[in-house]
Amino acid sequence: QSVLTQPPSVSGAPGQRVTISCTGSSSNIGAGYDVHWYQQLPGTAPKLLIYGNNNRPSGVPDRFSGSKSGTSASLAISGLQTEDEADYYCQSFDSSLSASRVFGGGTKLTVL
Amino acid sequence: QVQLVESGGGVVQPGRSLRLSCAASGFTFSSYGMHWVRQAPGKGLEWVAIIWYDGTNKYYADSVRGRFTISRDNSKNTLYLQMNSLRAEDTAVYYCARDIRDGYYFDCWGQGTLVTVSS
Repeated sequence: QSVLTQPPSVSGAPGQRVTISCTGSSSNIGAGYDVHWYQQLPGTAPKLLIYGNNNRPSGVPDRFSGSKSGTSASLAISGLQTEDEADYYCQSFDSSLSASRVFGGGTKLTVL
Repeated sequence: QVQLVESGGGVVQPGRSLRLSCAASGFTFSSYGMHWVRQAPGKGLEWVAIIWYDGTNKYYADSVRGRFTISRDNSKNTLYLQMNSLRAEDTAVYYCARDIRDGYYFDCWGQGTLVTVSS
């Protein structure tokens, strides 16, 4: 049982826009801690995709965007491409746990 | 460029010990906190432990506290994870990751090393 809740799967056709939700609580996202997103392509290590709710590291296309409101956050991917098919994880900090970084359970994106 | 390379994984019997290493390069290792994060087969990511840049503070997930020890040698640019009293549920790919303290996130990850606990 993950501290942050994500849908297990989402799907979309090439060119479409999809969103992935991440729901937390008053001890993590709702407490004002930032949300970060990671992309994990099949068989590879996770890669930082979005940090600080809506910031993209260098090299990440602007098709990826993030937002946060209240106890939830969302990752949006526009102009879907086949290479976007991957697992996506949200992550935050939880003040109820010692120095604990917490993850969502992950969302499998399928590009139809 | 920043590089993190884990090693030390393998097959180990329940109750035995294993030590993982993570060799860092391309950045000033002694300036960054470091983490271990694991991923059981077919499952999601689980944070395991953090050590501050100077080794003065260490924190652990409840699932490993008292059995795992995180440490570092800044003179060797290397992070370690000593895993004792291993259980089947510790079977996972173990990643080391660099900490960004201001935002509580991981900006760089290694490729991971697989630990399998099985008799």
